Formats: sequence, structure tokens, C-alpha cells
Amino acid sequence: NAGVMQNPRHLVRRRGQEARLRCSPMKGHSHVYWYRQLPEEGLKFMVYLQKENIIDESGMPKERFSAEFPKEGPSILRIQQVVRGDSAAYFCASSRNDASTDTQYFGPGTRLTVL
Amino acid sequence: EDKVVQSPLSLVVHEGDTVTLNCSYEVTNFRSLLWYKQEKKAPTFLFMLTSSGIEKKSGRLSSILDKKELSSILNITATQTGDSAIYLCAVSSGTYKYIFGTGTRLKVLA
Repeated sequence: NAGVMQNPRHLVRRRGQEARLRCSPMKGHSHVYWYRQLPEEGLKFMVYLQKENIIDESGMPKERFSAEFPKEGPSILRIQQVVRGDSAAYFCASSRNDASTDTQYFGPGTRLTVL
Repeated sequence: EDKVVQSPLSLVVHEGDTVTLNCSYEVTNFRSLLWYKQEKKAPTFLFMLTSSGIEKKSGRLSSILDKKELSSILNITATQTGDSAIYLCAVSSGTYKYIFGTGTRLKVLA
């Protein structure tokens, strides 16, 4: 009964490169959320997706960041042309139903370091 | 703007001590409050609280919500070194967005 899976766990990129972060939700969960955690800060909501739909991306920077949750396969958070300020831990969470009625369960996170 | 504030920011205790962590919130449409434990990996779910005054308990951990005071406490009794972690409080304001506090960093010394 695997929990939320994220890979890679650690990712190092140079400025200007692309970063792709993957998230596989728990079995039976169709709602995925991405959060970013900067050092000494709480988790900040980025985007909420259901299968093939972006429901809310209000927490995601308008440029360089995109997210998808295809019909088959994991959810992907993509950061193009990374900058040093993108260095953070990115956590994915999933829930069975809309999280307003259901608990979100978190993956182990991907720690992105931009050199 | 919705916000969640946790206190203290950090805490150092000795094994066997009891600790109380605080979480206060200001949100426009409160639905639930959640506590998570974060070690060097995934935040692990501890409790979800929706009703005021009803204590939730799991082993040495317990939590209660006070909707009048817009706050919650998390108690850990007989602390152990394995309790060392960051404890995160999150509030759901009736939507899917969780609003997190910055966490309380607890260190338990042997």
C-alpha cells in the first residue's frame, strides 16, 4: 500500500536548465497538490490538479512553471530556465476526494538545488 | 489575508518532558485544522480537527481545537528523542488549499 511517491528525491540543476519533478499519488487518489517549502518557511500552495485538469494554479509563478496530471502516469511539475531562487523542497500531496473534505497525504519531496 | 501562526518557533526539551505546541489562525471560512509531523522527509499526518472542544488522541500525542479562540494545541507527553521534528499546523478554509504555519522545531535531548 504505497504512499505518495516523488522522484527524484534530490535534483541539481544549473541556472537556465529545466527541472522536471514527478509525483505519483496514492492508489485511489485522483487529486494532486503541489507545495513549495523554502528554508525556515511553511509549505506554500502552488497548484491543484485532477486527472487531465488544472483546477487552481493561483500559487504558481506565471512564468517558467507549469504542471500537468495526464490520464496515464504521474503528475509533473516543470520548471523551465531555473534560477537560484527556485532552490527549495517541492512536495506533492494527494487526496481521494476534494481536500476540503479529505486529508491530504504528502510525498517525501524533491529537493531542488540550482547552482 | 488568511494566515496561520505557530508558537514557539523552536523548543528544546529533555526526554520525559511534556510539551505544548500552539497554533492560531485567521481564515475567512474555517473548515478544518490539521497537524503534521515533518522529519527529513514527508510531512506525516497526525490529526484533523473540525469540532471545538473534542480532544483527539494518538498514543502520547493529543490535540484539541478551540474555535472561539481560533487556536489549537498539540500536546506530547513523556517526550522521546524520536519526537524531534518540525510540527506543522495547517488550516483548510473550505477549499482545497491548505494554509500552513512555519512550524515549531522540537528537539528532544536524551
